[in-house]
Amino acid sequence: EDQVTQSPEALRLQEGESSSLNCSYTVSGLRGLFWYRQDPGKGPEFLFTLYSAGEEKEKERLKATLTKKESFLHITAPKPEDSATYLCAVQKSGNNRKLIWGLGTSLAVNP
Amino acid sequence: DTAVSQTPKYLVTQMGNDKSIKCEQNLGHDTMYWYKQDSKKFLKIMFSYNNKELIINETVPNRFSPKSPDKAHLNLHINSLELGDSAVYFCASSLRKGDTEAFFGQGTRLTVV
Repeated sequence: EDQVTQSPEALRLQEGESSSLNCSYTVSGLRGLFWYRQDPGKGPEFLFTLYSAGEEKEKERLKATLTKKESFLHITAPKPEDSATYLCAVQKSGNNRKLIWGLGTSLAVNP
Repeated sequence: DTAVSQTPKYLVTQMGNDKSIKCEQNLGHDTMYWYKQDSKKFLKIMFSYNNKELIINETVPNRFSPKSPDKAHLNLHINSLELGDSAVYFCASSLRKGDTEAFFGQGTRLTVV
C-alpha cells in the first residue's frame, strides 16, 4: 500500500539549533516528492519538488534531499518564523498523478 | 490579489443540512482540486478538475458533488451533512494537470453539530 510517513510528529528547537525532518515513503511508481509548509489557519505553501535520488534543493535556511526511500528537510540555524507544520507528499506516476500526503512535522522554534 | 479564494472561511451547520463551498482562482490555471484535512492534519485529495473535466474522483461519499462552471471556479456541494464531515476543506489549483506546485486557498472550516 502506498504510504508516506513523517517523523518526528513534533519538534521543538531553540533559535539557531539546526535539525532535520524525515519523510519516508513506499509507493509504486514515484514521479516526485514535494515539501510544503503550512502555517496555522492557512493552506499549505509549496517549498520544493525532488524527482530523483541524490537531488538537492535549497531555499534560505531549508535544504531538501532525496534518496530512494526517504527525503530529509534540513533546517539550518532556524528562526522563530520557521515555526510551522512541514508536509511531505509523493506523486505517483500515471495518468492522474495524485499526491499522497504525510501527516506532517509540527516545528516550533523558540527565540 | 488573492490567488485562490474560498468562501466561506467558517461554516457551522446542523446534521442533515445541505451546504456549498465556493472556490475561485485568478491565476489562469487549468487544474483545480478539493482536499479534506481532518483533525489529525491528514490531507486527502477528494476531486480534481482539469479544464472543467473531472480527472480525479477519490472514494468520497456521493453526498459530495463538485461542480466546475468554468476553469476558474470549482464549487463543492455537500448533501445531508454528517458529524464526520467536520474538517477543513481546501481548494487548490495548479497550472496544469499533475503539476508539482499547487496553490492552496485559506481553507473552509466546516463544523457539523
